[in-house]
Amino acid sequence: GIQVEQSPPDLILQEGANSTLRCNFSDSVNNLQWFHQNPWGQLINLFYIPSGTKQNGRLSATTVATERYSLLYISSSQTTDSGVYFCAVPDSNYQLIWGAGTKLIIKP
Amino acid sequence: GAGVSQSPSNKVTEKGKDVELRCDPISGHTALYWYRQSLGQGLEFLIYFQGNSAPDKSGLPSDRFSAERTGGSVSTLTIQRTQQEDSAVYLCASSLIAGGTGELFFGEGSRLTVL
Repeated sequence: GIQVEQSPPDLILQEGANSTLRCNFSDSVNNLQWFHQNPWGQLINLFYIPSGTKQNGRLSATTVATERYSLLYISSSQTTDSGVYFCAVPDSNYQLIWGAGTKLIIKP
Repeated sequence: GAGVSQSPSNKVTEKGKDVELRCDPISGHTALYWYRQSLGQGLEFLIYFQGNSAPDKSGLPSDRFSAERTGGSVSTLTIQRTQQEDSAVYLCASSLIAGGTGELFFGEGSRLTVL
């Protein structure tokens, strides 16, 4: 089945820094989603991005489907950005295959 | 509703008791997923409902776990004879489009603690 790998597994940054999170997947996909799980456990849908680039405030995402990766950019990090970032893609059935996540800590 | 609603938000129970967790998906969403997340871990798929089709129960960890979805809307996850290893956050998600291709929206989860 399809494999999803995220990197880095952990990232610690000072407030105001920029960061890039990566999601690689092993097979062609027709969509990809990025989620943020905050320290209280709430999972928030950030981007639904099968291809191309989308931006939402300080966050943006780019998926290059032909090269099987997606990037999540966070600019001018804030402490509220802390948490775990997951990417997920559907497999040949209807299952969503999840990456292991990138744990981001933003220090004030 | 405006979002996926789950109840209870927290449940503490004694080992051996039965518990029911409820999920009210976004109105009109035909696909509904249940996941489990243990502390510090990723998401573990439990069960998937799609419209009136038979659910995919392949992720349920044991026969103590069951789920139903009434009228294509509200879903209930039932855990019988709870064990301490059942302690986790149970997350429900819904999607407008089936097949894993639609945007997935999560509820805030039900945190289960089995003493």
